[in-house]
Amino acid sequence: NAGVTQTPKFQVLKTGQSMTLQCAQDMNHEYMSWYRQDPGMGLRLIHYSVGAGITDQGEVPNGYNVSRSTTEDFPLRLLSAAPSQTSVYFCASRPSGAITGNEQFFGPGTRLTVL
Amino acid sequence: GDSVTQMEGPVTLSEEAFLTINCTYTATGYPSLFWYVQYPGEGLQLLLKATKADDKGSNKGFEATYRKETTSFHLEKGSVQVSDSAVYFCALSEGTGRRALTFGSGTRLQVQP
Repeated sequence: NAGVTQTPKFQVLKTGQSMTLQCAQDMNHEYMSWYRQDPGMGLRLIHYSVGAGITDQGEVPNGYNVSRSTTEDFPLRLLSAAPSQTSVYFCASRPSGAITGNEQFFGPGTRLTVL
Repeated sequence: GDSVTQMEGPVTLSEEAFLTINCTYTATGYPSLFWYVQYPGEGLQLLLKATKADDKGSNKGFEATYRKETTSFHLEKGSVQVSDSAVYFCALSEGTGRRALTFGSGTRLQVQP
């Protein structure tokens, strides 16, 4: 299993540009989520999904859209990038139910810079 | 709401020193508690977890005990190595509808030879 994969690894955007961060998992996990990591602030939840066709907002959703058309994929879209969205983005997944104590599996991250 | 507070870093230790990284939490229910580790340039990996009070999680020589009475989950290791240099995150999850992890701000550990 490849686990959770993310592309691209690095990206530089200009203010106002749009882009999609890709995330895929091959573990048949129902739950997927996006976090952003900023210095001194830990990781904060952007959006999450409990299954195909179901998404919801997290702690910091503004400026980001998501969709979940398949169990495997959970892309994150920036419609009009802003410098405040400069961050490292992590995708995570976990199986449904609470049998693992809600342990999540993380991708390697995408480092995004918005100029 | 839920929150996690970790000691600020960086923590700098010599090889074979004893490590403690403090973590306390605030939660309305009975959360599961985690320590994640992030090595340079990589994503987060689960280090250990505990799902109920008095449970001890352990892995790779690291230990943490779920203390409900003090709402703490301190990370310890008896003898650190240079390879332990990383950022350590304490996190909790209440298993509610959102089922997300609430993270502390992270503690950078630097181990010198």
